[in-house]
Amino acid sequence: GEDVEQSLFLSVREGDSSVINCTYTDSSSTYLYWYKQEPGAGLQLLTYIFSNMDMKQDQRLTVLLNKKDKHLSLRIADTQTGDSAIYFCAESTTNAGKSTFGDGTTLTVKP
Amino acid sequence: GAVVSQHPSWVICKSGTSVKIECRSLDFQATTMFWYRQFPKQSLMLMATSNEGSKATYEQGVEKDKFLINHASLTLSTLTVTSAHPEDSSFYICSARLNSNTGELFFGEGSRLTVL
Repeated sequence: GEDVEQSLFLSVREGDSSVINCTYTDSSSTYLYWYKQEPGAGLQLLTYIFSNMDMKQDQRLTVLLNKKDKHLSLRIADTQTGDSAIYFCAESTTNAGKSTFGDGTTLTVKP
Repeated sequence: GAVVSQHPSWVICKSGTSVKIECRSLDFQATTMFWYRQFPKQSLMLMATSNEGSKATYEQGVEKDKFLINHASLTLSTLTVTSAHPEDSSFYICSARLNSNTGELFFGEGSRLTVL
């Protein structure tokens, strides 16, 4: 079945860039997503990228997709303490609708 | 973006009772909603796909009689945890698809269930 993997923890200093990496196995994945979860809350969609794109930029967020290697990354520029959260990578195919999630990367931003 | 709301946000109940959690799409119609369970510091585990007007599709290992799902309208799906036990304590999250073409999902705020 589908599998999505992420590193579990990342710690950066405020003002630095953060890069969170994700790999997936399903070559038919159509959409790849990044979600943010703050403590005790649901998931907030940050951004998503269609599989025929290589890059998508949205303000401080840059998503890079290497479809050949099935590798997805999320770069957060000028990381702030408010960015501290768990970040989930997810994939879905249009027809299935349901998504497969990675285990989440806990980002800690130190002042 | 689209808004999905869950109610209640948290609930504490006694063992043996049943608890109902609601998931509403506030500004769009959702023919499909998804229910997840999340344990502390773990990822989301898909429990079932809720389909408006038809039976839910449960993932392997999820007890249908334990977790009753009803999707009676295009804006409301409910999850009822029947005869709850302490091991059912968890964070339950729902999501809904805004657009069947994009697969984009919007999530509720989650409902934390504690069974004493």
